[in-house]
Amino acid sequence: AQTVTQSQPEMSVQEAETVTLSCTYDTSENNYYLFWYKQPPSRQMILVIRQEAYKQQNATENRFSVNFQKAAKSFSLKISDSQLGDTAMYFCAFMKHVVDDKIIFGKGTRLHILP
Amino acid sequence: GAVVSQHPSWVICKSGTSVKIECRSLDFQATTMFWYRQFPKQSLMLMATSNEGSKATYEQGVEKDKFLINHASLTLSTLTVTSAHPEDSSFYICSAREVRLAGSVGTQYFGPGTRLTVL
Repeated sequence: AQTVTQSQPEMSVQEAETVTLSCTYDTSENNYYLFWYKQPPSRQMILVIRQEAYKQQNATENRFSVNFQKAAKSFSLKISDSQLGDTAMYFCAFMKHVVDDKIIFGKGTRLHILP
Repeated sequence: GAVVSQHPSWVICKSGTSVKIECRSLDFQATTMFWYRQFPKQSLMLMATSNEGSKATYEQGVEKDKFLINHASLTLSTLTVTSAHPEDSSFYICSAREVRLAGSVGTQYFGPGTRLTVL
């Protein structure tokens, strides 16, 4: 069975700083997807970034980038120039590369951006 | 981007009554929809996977007779909480996966959630 572990329950950083959220996962699959989702106070789940395991290049979306280490089964999220609007719960998630498969979420990291 | 709606956004009911929550994909077709439950300050827990035109697949520990799921069309799935009790109070989130070409995996979009309070 697949598992996703986020070891940082809560983090706080000053606005404009860079912050890295950690995530490790366990799977015997070779091909899969990894995601970071953001859940702000509105509780709407928002996809931040997606990485396909067969791609060696780390995914980047504006201020958000990942450090994907397949051998180490590590998938961290870096937020550069953090903004107050980045305050949210962040979930790391895993999905097998199967058409109808489900997304497995980590327990989340609550991120506070301080003014 | 693609939008998934849920209705109602908030519902309060008396213990013993049934509540239906709708999940709609507004501008895309979804053969697969998922239902999650989220307790305060916790992660999303998958309850069931719903495929259009077939019976839902429930996760271990989820009572299928209590949480009835119907996926009657490519844009609508419903979750009915039968004989609700206070312990069923939670935040319920649906997601819909868009139809893609065979062999590829469509993006999964999430609804805004429904807060259920059972008195």
